[in-house]
Amino acid sequence: KAGVTQTPRYLIKTRGQQVTLSCSPISGHRSVSWYQQTPGQGLQFLFEYFSETQRNKGNFPGRFSGRQFSNSRSEMNVSTLELGDSALYLCASSSQPMNTEAFFGQGTRLTVV
Amino acid sequence: TQLLEQSPQFLSIQEGENLTVYCNSSSVFSSLQWYRQEPGEGPVLLVTVVTGGEVKKLKRLTFQFGDARKDSSLHITAAQPGDTGLYLCADQTGANNLFFGTGTRLTVIP
Repeated sequence: KAGVTQTPRYLIKTRGQQVTLSCSPISGHRSVSWYQQTPGQGLQFLFEYFSETQRNKGNFPGRFSGRQFSNSRSEMNVSTLELGDSALYLCASSSQPMNTEAFFGQGTRLTVV
Repeated sequence: TQLLEQSPQFLSIQEGENLTVYCNSSSVFSSLQWYRQEPGEGPVLLVTVVTGGEVKKLKRLTFQFGDARKDSSLHITAAQPGDTGLYLCADQTGANNLFFGTGTRLTVIP
């Protein structure tokens, strides 16, 4: 079956702009989480959604937001982009919140200039 | 705040050599997972360990969980170029919610 699909794969934005990233989980998976990966901070948890509800949120400013649709697809939005937001954004899906295995997509590489 | 330190940060070895990487937590793990991430890809789960003292083997990879559930090691026997990647330990603090370590970047030279 198809894996986790993230679009776009690469994105270049200018400081101050906003961006929306998309994640389609594995069919049947209802839990979607987002992570930010940078060389300096490593892989950090942003937020998790299950059945269209945000269940957990990491320690990121309010400029980072997300949502999940009824078909389990998820989007994350970053407003007022800063240079430090340049990162690989990864989405992970699992069949349920307490499932022990999360499957990651290939990520969206965001560059802010 | 939990700290997850991995060592070494970088490791470059010749094909056929053995190696061990470490993961140490400032607090007890809820559930420890090891991942490998290859360039251009997302992390892929290798193993989950829950019980202190647990040892799991996956072909040439041996995972050990400390008795106190605050540390873990990953040993690779006869490393191959396909083992190259970023090795990450993570604490599954709950749900689809992972707290990752700093990572060990392994390069296996043919």
